[in-house]
Amino acid sequence: EADIYQTPRYLVIGTGKKITLECSQTMGHDKMYWYQQDPGMELHLIHYSYGVNSTEKGDLSSESTVSRIRTEHFPLTLESARPSHTSQYLCASSEETGLNSPLHFGNGTRLTVT
Amino acid sequence: GNSVTQMEGPVTLSEEAFLTINCTYTATGYPSLFWYVQYPGEGLQLLLKATKADDKGSNKGFEATYRKETTSFHLEKGSVQVSDSAVYFCALKTGGTSYGKLTFGQGTILTVHP
Repeated sequence: EADIYQTPRYLVIGTGKKITLECSQTMGHDKMYWYQQDPGMELHLIHYSYGVNSTEKGDLSSESTVSRIRTEHFPLTLESARPSHTSQYLCASSEETGLNSPLHFGNGTRLTVT
Repeated sequence: GNSVTQMEGPVTLSEEAFLTINCTYTATGYPSLFWYVQYPGEGLQLLLKATKADDKGSNKGFEATYRKETTSFHLEKGSVQVSDSAVYFCALKTGGTSYGKLTFGQGTILTVHP
């Protein structure tokens, strides 16, 4: 089993609040990713990192931001939550970017903004 | 750009029935192909993968063959169980500007009845 942890599992929060979704992995993987999963289940890459102090925007524009100060930690922050941010957020990591290297996923954070 | 198209769901089967979930792709270069499974309330788990044409990935009774000529990677299982009920995602990975990132299909819900 992959050791990648996301907290909280569920979060209900009011509009305008600042939130941080936590993601940690104990596998020493350099590559980490955040995906947003909409109610129709489709997955969209919103952020990725190839190592410490490296962060990039993904394919889907997002108002969230990420940081990568430590290899094992890749938190996602929303400065001012809105109902349109309601979604499931999945964190993943991989040992390398090579074509054969799969992604390992956490169990996700289901965010509801009221 | 890269894209993955899966058959429309949901798919509902009786236990011991034969399963096929179709997946076709468009990609630049030569992708690696993956099937992921998402059980209720969990993140995604790698089910199987294939890295070159004519490779067959297999795991837990599931199989998929990388068909370059038809750009397909259909998932099959000879006899499904209730415990196979989940959402299945086909995905690909390429080099170039998409290096290291997975592109997912829209997911197919499978429900297996006793």
